[in-house]
Amino acid sequence: TQLLEQSPQFLSIQEGENLTVYCNSSSVFSSLQWYRQEPGEGPVLLVTVVTGGEVKKLKRLTFQFGDARKDSSLHITAAQPGDTGLYLCAGARSGGGADGLTFGKGTHLIIQP
Amino acid sequence: DTAVSQTPKYLVTQMGNDKSIKCEQNLGHDTMYWYKQDSKKFLKIMFSYNNKELIINETVPNRFSPKSPDKAHLNLHINSLELGDSAVYFCASSQDATDTQYFGPGTRLTVL
Repeated sequence: TQLLEQSPQFLSIQEGENLTVYCNSSSVFSSLQWYRQEPGEGPVLLVTVVTGGEVKKLKRLTFQFGDARKDSSLHITAAQPGDTGLYLCAGARSGGGADGLTFGKGTHLIIQP
Repeated sequence: DTAVSQTPKYLVTQMGNDKSIKCEQNLGHDTMYWYKQDSKKFLKIMFSYNNKELIINETVPNRFSPKSPDKAHLNLHINSLELGDSAVYFCASSQDATDTQYFGPGTRLTVL
């Protein structure tokens, strides 16, 4: 079973601070996706990283895929209350196939004004 | 237009009852999924369907049965509901198994 470990599980910080969320696995993934879920809604895709070492930026969010494609990180600069939510990483199984995505357990992020 | 829709949004029922949750996607995707999200927000895949064929079925009790009348619909039927079935159930779809998944708004099931 491929597992994705996310850390931290919970994070509460003040507005304006920076933070990093980690997603680690012992398995190689063909791609890794980051989702954000707000209360009462389904997860929504933020970004997909495919190439080892890839870095993608989405405004104040920076996503990185590890060189070995086993881990990823999400860095938020100058966090804002609107960033509050559950952040989920999800890995696509190497070699494709029809097994779908493996989700991490998520990071609950609270940004206090 | 809603890409992935689920009904009902909330479902409260007694233990032992049988219930269904409906899901429809208008994205033309080939693969649809059902996930269960527990109270700790852990999202666990239950089923996926590709062109009416069940592809994966994680360790889900056989009281749960997905039914796909066509490519745009994947309904979830649950027999003999138990207290432990209380959770939020999400439907999702994607073009193929490793593509972006588009989630529905979820159905909060409460079994009393």
